[in-house]
Amino acid sequence: EAAVTQSPRNKVTVTGGNVTLSCRQTNSHNYMYWYRQDTGHGLRLIHYSYGAGNLQIGDVPDGYKATRTTQEDFFLLLELASPSQTSLYFCASSEEWGAFAETLYFGSGTRLTVL
Amino acid sequence: AQSVTQPDARVTVSEGASLQLRCKYSYSATPYLFWYVQYPRQGLQMLLKYYSGDPVVQGVNGFEAEFSKSDSSFHLRKASVHWSDSAVYFCASGSWQLIFGSGTQLTVMP
Repeated sequence: EAAVTQSPRNKVTVTGGNVTLSCRQTNSHNYMYWYRQDTGHGLRLIHYSYGAGNLQIGDVPDGYKATRTTQEDFFLLLELASPSQTSLYFCASSEEWGAFAETLYFGSGTRLTVL
Repeated sequence: AQSVTQPDARVTVSEGASLQLRCKYSYSATPYLFWYVQYPRQGLQMLLKYYSGDPVVQGVNGFEAEFSKSDSSFHLRKASVHWSDSAVYFCASGSWQLIFGSGTQLTVMP
């Protein structure tokens, strides 16, 4: 069973703060994704990657950077956090891209609060 | 642009009752269609997937969904719900990128 681990579980920061969310997957999947989940919006894709060193822009990338350092590790960076980035963040991985994947494997989420 | 609509933000049913959660997609061709479930404090898990063939697809834990091209819908059903089915259910659709609906919070009353 594929495993996706996110850290931290919860994070509180102040406006203008610097935050890094971490994600590790243990099944050597090609694709990794960062989503944010907000009430009324479902999951929205921020960034994704199809391998170490690769980064692709999703639907809501403004204010976010991401980096895929290895096949296993994908980081989401908020360099100047704003209250509008208060959300529940999910990382996911899959062998194939998006709709073609048998399934996306999700982590348990990181709840970020920006005061 | 593609979109997925789940018109019911919250649904409450009694244990043992039947269930239907609604999903409508917007796309000219038949996309890949999914239902995912999110239990409290967990990530999303796939329940079932459809692309072609029999329009009724079976998933885990007694869930099934029916694809309707004429109605652009992919409704999720279960004949008899259990309290442990309480969760948030997401419909997702896409022919390239997956687009998720806004989710339906299901509460099963004992």
